[in-house]
Amino acid sequence: KQEVTQIPAALSVPEGENLVLNCSFTDSAIYNLQWFRQDPGKGLTSLLLIQSSQREQTSGRLNASLDKSSGRSTLYIAASQPGDSATYLCAVNSGAQKLVFGQGTRLTINP
Amino acid sequence: SQTIHQWPATLVQPVGSPLSLECTVEGTSNPNLYWYRQAAGRGLQLLFYSVGIGQISSEVPQNLSASRPQDRQFILSSKKLLLSDSGFYLCAWQRLAGVPDTQYFGPGTRLTVL
Repeated sequence: KQEVTQIPAALSVPEGENLVLNCSFTDSAIYNLQWFRQDPGKGLTSLLLIQSSQREQTSGRLNASLDKSSGRSTLYIAASQPGDSATYLCAVNSGAQKLVFGQGTRLTINP
Repeated sequence: SQTIHQWPATLVQPVGSPLSLECTVEGTSNPNLYWYRQAAGRGLQLLFYSVGIGQISSEVPQNLSASRPQDRQFILSSKKLLLSDSGFYLCAWQRLAGVPDTQYFGPGTRLTVL
């Protein structure tokens, strides 16, 4: 059974810092890995999707990497801004049309 | 473009009352549809998913049921709500064909059972 873990559970940093969020998964047989953002009381917004054959994806100040063999992914946020404050969720698609989510990392960027 | 709607946005119901949450998708056809629950302090839990009209897969045995009466409509129901049914309910859709794609989430329904 696929399990996804995100560390840390919460992170608070000053504005302007670069930061890394971590995601690990137990079964390396995946189709893709996705990072989502969730603002308080809102739905999820897709940030990046990395197919199993890819090593990384970039969108603006966000860069996500995937090391399938070690069961790890990182989300790198450059030059953080207060607007980046949200909960970030990692999800793995292991097939069967379903995603398995981590518990999320609650990120706070302090002005 | 595709959009996904959920209603109601918030709901407060007494224990033992029935429940009906609705989700509709516009701008696509034959999507996969999903119901998730997010309880306070817990992760996102997949409740049901559907790959077509009338086809429902249940992930967690519980007090809830789901139905898909039309291609782009997904309904979450309960005959008698429990306190433990409180949470944030999210509907999502995903393209069925081709390489597995991302899921697109609705705005959610906040359910409080008293």
